[in-house]
Amino acid sequence: SQQGEEDPQALSIQEGENATMNCSYKTSINNLQWYRQNSGRGLVHLILIRSNEREKHSGRLRVTLDTSKKSSSLLITASRAADTASYFCATNGNQFYFGTGTSLTVIP
Amino acid sequence: DVKVTQSSRYLVKRTGEKVFLECVQDMDHENMFWYRQDPGLGLRLIYFSYDVKMKEKGDIPEGYSVSREKKERFSLILESASTNQTSMYLCATKAPLGTGGARSYEQYFGPGTRLTVT
Repeated sequence: SQQGEEDPQALSIQEGENATMNCSYKTSINNLQWYRQNSGRGLVHLILIRSNEREKHSGRLRVTLDTSKKSSSLLITASRAADTASYFCATNGNQFYFGTGTSLTVIP
Repeated sequence: DVKVTQSSRYLVKRTGEKVFLECVQDMDHENMFWYRQDPGLGLRLIYFSYDVKMKEKGDIPEGYSVSREKKERFSLILESASTNQTSMYLCATKAPLGTGGARSYEQYFGPGTRLTVT
């Protein structure tokens, strides 16, 4: 399976702290994307990093990519209660391959 | 904004029933997908379609079929529902990100249908 795997499966932090989630994948990729899913809803695209990029920022999000280790990390800085959601990485070949997700809880 | 809608948020069906899940998109995207999402298993691709009347099997097509008679509509059919098909079903489209060069794509998801088969 080309599915990505996120780590940890669940993360609970206090509001204002930073949250870091990791993703490992198995095959070569064109790009890697992170999605967010609020409880009981569909997924929403957050950020994409291409295979020739090492780091990318978008607002409070910072994504890194290490193609030699086939891994990526998503950092959410200064977390808010509204960041509570599940976060998925997805690799993009002919299809999208999603990981199993990290469930983030931000405690107010 | 891209809008992907699914016909039902919650659905309860009996074992053996034929079940139709409908998905409609309003952005003229060629590619549409059906996933199911289960705890600990993430999203698994059931079927996808890259054009009207065209369909391709995903990773777990058994027990499902699809129909794409019009570009904006992609239907997932459970021919004879079983309890192991109780799941969250997510429809998605695919659209390019940016222009020129090597294309990257983004998926747009519907809100999901939580199906319970009893």
